[in-house]
Amino acid sequence: GNSVTQMEGPVTLSEEAFLTINCTYTATGYPSLFWYVQYPGEGLQLLLKATKADDKGSNKGFEATYRKETTSFHLEKGSVQVSDSAVYFCALTRGSQGNLIFGKGTKLSVKP
Amino acid sequence: GAVVSQHPSWVICKSGTSVKIECRSLDFQATTMFWYRQFPKQSLMLMATSNEGSKATYEQGVEKDKFLINHASLTLSTLTVTSAHPEDSSFYICSAQQGASNQPQHFGDGTRLSIL
Repeated sequence: GNSVTQMEGPVTLSEEAFLTINCTYTATGYPSLFWYVQYPGEGLQLLLKATKADDKGSNKGFEATYRKETTSFHLEKGSVQVSDSAVYFCALTRGSQGNLIFGKGTKLSVKP
Repeated sequence: GAVVSQHPSWVICKSGTSVKIECRSLDFQATTMFWYRQFPKQSLMLMATSNEGSKATYEQGVEKDKFLINHASLTLSTLTVTSAHPEDSSFYICSAQQGASNQPQHFGDGTRLSIL
């Protein structure tokens, strides 16, 4: 079946450090891939997306590339800020309804 | 753009009462709305999918009579937790999608439900 696997958290980094959050998926067909971010006590916000192989999604300094050969969609940022502290969810669409399947989320804490 | 408003943001009520949560797309028409449940420090679990004017499609294991979903218009869906009990306490999040199934979902800020 379709599933998303994310690296376990929490991830703690110092400000300006490089961030990688790994995400791999299993899916039938060609899903669209997403990264969502959830700040404390809030709902999810779409961070970036990619709809086909080799697409690169980017937003707010974050980027991820849809790698079909490795079934991966790793999230990266060159220099994190304290304000990036949140939980990050990797997700893919499923079926004709576009139902999202989420990974378990990775909590990121950035220290000043 | 693509703002989804969820109300209330926090509700506390007694066991046995029913609670209604509203989800509105403010600046777009939502072809499809989704309801999720999130337990502490866990991922989101899809409860049901609804299209305007149609009956909701529930995920396996979700009680239809317990969690009533109404999607009466292209901008409003409601989730009613009927005869709520403490085990129904959770964070409920809705999302709305416009157009094709590969379009992103836009999420509300969630409703924290606490049943005493």
